[in-house]
Amino acid sequence: DIQMTQSPSSLSASVGDRVTITCQASQDISNYLNWYQQKPGKAPKLLIYDASNLETGVPSRFSGSGSGTKFTFTISSLQPEDIGTYYCQQYHNLPITFGQGTRLEIK
Amino acid sequence: EVQLVESGGGLVKPGGSLRLSCAASGFTFSSHTMNWVRQAPGKGLEWVSSISSTSSYIHHADSVKGRFTISRDNAKNSLYLQMNSLRAEDTAVYYCARDGILIPAAGLFDYWGQGSLVTVSS
Repeated sequence: DIQMTQSPSSLSASVGDRVTITCQASQDISNYLNWYQQKPGKAPKLLIYDASNLETGVPSRFSGSGSGTKFTFTISSLQPEDIGTYYCQQYHNLPITFGQGTRLEIK
Repeated sequence: EVQLVESGGGLVKPGGSLRLSCAASGFTFSSHTMNWVRQAPGKGLEWVSSISSTSSYIHHADSVKGRFTISRDNAKNSLYLQMNSLRAEDTAVYYCARDGILIPAAGLFDYWGQGSLVTVSS
């Protein structure tokens, strides 16, 4: 199975800050990498697909980059509504696997 | 508007069975691979099962293989998860999720239901 390792596991930032989350795959997954946001008590929401493509309707302050084994998710200017947990997910191989999540809080 | 609505969750004893359903609307259900993803209380996301549009390709995570069975009825726009021999570690919110790529078991989950809680406890 492909292991997905996110860092940090939690972070606290101020409104307006640039926030970066990294995700490392245990083997080459090309660009078969998605990012999801999950707010408390809600279902996950797709934000970024294929490592760098913004899902329709998602604000442009969200972005993703990377390929192979190293990936980055960025919020260019943190907003209060961005609190939640963020997950990376690979779909290069079955089983589909997720990172352990990064909990984002506002300072 | 795409909608996925799960039902069938509840409290069941270890070793028991439960069948989850997911009613789909707002898109051509018969064209998409569908999935179940679960989340144990306070934990991360775990992919459980996927089924291709015509049920030709079915995959289960090792953790549920031999106990869970995914199926679908395209005439009823419905997805199912039959869960047998349930264990305490199967306690989770179960989400159905649509695959946004029109190939079997692609893995791009573009729409999710609200989830159905399954609790396995004596």
